[in-house]
Amino acid sequence: GAGVSQTPSNKVTEKGKYVELRCDPISGHTALYWYRQSLGQGPEFLIYFQGTGAADDSGLPNDRFFAVRPEGSVSTLKIQRTERGDSAVYLCASSLELAGESYEQYFGPGTRLTVT
Amino acid sequence: GNSVTQMEGPVTLSEEAFLTINCTYTATGYPSLFWYVQYPGEGLQLLLKATKADDKGSNKGFEATYRKETTSFHLEKGSVQVSDSAVYFCALITGTSYDKVIFGPGTSLSVIP
Repeated sequence: GAGVSQTPSNKVTEKGKYVELRCDPISGHTALYWYRQSLGQGPEFLIYFQGTGAADDSGLPNDRFFAVRPEGSVSTLKIQRTERGDSAVYLCASSLELAGESYEQYFGPGTRLTVT
Repeated sequence: GNSVTQMEGPVTLSEEAFLTINCTYTATGYPSLFWYVQYPGEGLQLLLKATKADDKGSNKGFEATYRKETTSFHLEKGSVQVSDSAVYFCALITGTSYDKVIFGPGTSLSVIP
C-alpha cells in the first residue's frame, strides 16, 4: 500500500522567504510526527499530532516554525523568514494510535530544504 | 537528558565480513530501543527493536540485545552483503509513548564486493 509521502522532495528558497512542506500520512494513521535531519546527524523531533491537535510541539526550535493538520490527515510544516540554518531534510512519519498507545512510526522520504 | 551515542563512521567492510555497530544510551526510566536503517534514496525504516532488558531484537540477519547493565544496544550481523550498505541509526523512546523518538547520529556502512 501507499506509504507516507512528502512534497516537494526538494525545495530551494532564499533567506527570509516563507516555505510550506507537505506530508500525506498513511491512510488511517491518526498520529503524525515531524522531524528535522541536519547533515551528518540523526533526525530530531519537532512536533507530534494526535488527530488535528498538536500533542507535543516541544521540538519546534522557535516561533518561525509552525505546523497544522486541520482535518487530521495531511499536515503542513510552515517556516517563516527562513534562515540558512534551517537547511536540512524535514522528515514526516505517521503511526496508528489505538487506546492511547502509539505504534511503529513509518517515515516518508523527506523534503530537502536549502536556504540560500 | 535522554540521548543516544553511536560509533562514528563511515564503516567499510568486505562482503561476508562480521559487523558490529556500537550504541549506548542515556535515559530516564526504562526506554524501548530501536535500530533504524536508511538505504540510499529511501526513507527511514525500522530494522529491529527491543522493549525490555535482555530482549533480543532480530531482523534480516541483524541482531541487537538490550543490555541494561551496560546501557548498550549494539547491532551485529554475521555476514554482511553489498545490499546492507546504508546508514544505521540507534534510537530510543522513553516510557510507553511512541512520540518523540530520540535518534543517534547514525553510522554509515559501505559493503564492498
